[in-house]
Amino acid sequence: EIVLTQSPGTLSLSPGERATLSCRASQSVSSSYLAWYQQKPGQAPRLLIYGASSRATGIPDRFSGSGSGTDFTLTISRLEPEDFAVYYCQQYGSSPAITFGQGTRLEIK
Amino acid sequence: QVQLVQSGAEVKKPGASVKVSCKASGYTFTSYGISWVRQAPGQGLEWMGWISAYNGNTNYAQKLQGRVTMTTDTSTSTAYMELRSLRSDDTAVYYCARVKPGGYDSSGPYSYWGQGTLVTVSS
Repeated sequence: EIVLTQSPGTLSLSPGERATLSCRASQSVSSSYLAWYQQKPGQAPRLLIYGASSRATGIPDRFSGSGSGTDFTLTISRLEPEDFAVYYCQQYGSSPAITFGQGTRLEIK
Repeated sequence: QVQLVQSGAEVKKPGASVKVSCKASGYTFTSYGISWVRQAPGQGLEWMGWISAYNGNTNYAQKLQGRVTMTTDTSTSTAYMELRSLRSDDTAVYYCARVKPGGYDSSGPYSYWGQGTLVTVSS
């Protein structure tokens, strides 16, 4: 199965700053079938990005995704207070072995 | 609007079984499958498997093969996930999820999620 490794484990930033989150795959992700989710405490995950770079419906344009092959990035251009959460990447190109990264916690500095 | 509503929290003893339900509304149930994802306390997300609501085909995560069964009841638009021989490390919040329109039914990405069901395994 494809192992996804997210870095950093925790990112401490202030509102208004730029956040860059990384997701590295142990092998190439088929056709950029890579998604990013945001999860807040006590809530289900929320889809942000799919196909490595397409924003899901209703997602603000401060969220952007990039990358291909084995290296992917989620960028939040200017952090808002509501953006502090845990972020997960998911590869969905190798069904049935779908995998998630271990998560990056984005916390207020 | 698409909604997935799950059954309530469960407490089970080791070795027992649990069956979690996920009732779908707001779309034609047989047009999309249902996937199940779990999250142990303070941990990340783990994909468990998928069932087609159209024909009942399933894909299960290899580590759960033999212990998990996913089913659907099209008459009530409800999906079920049964996990047997429960162990303490099965303690988790269990989510059902559905792909976005245009997504890949058996794998993602997931736009719609249930609210989660906490299953606690403890003696």
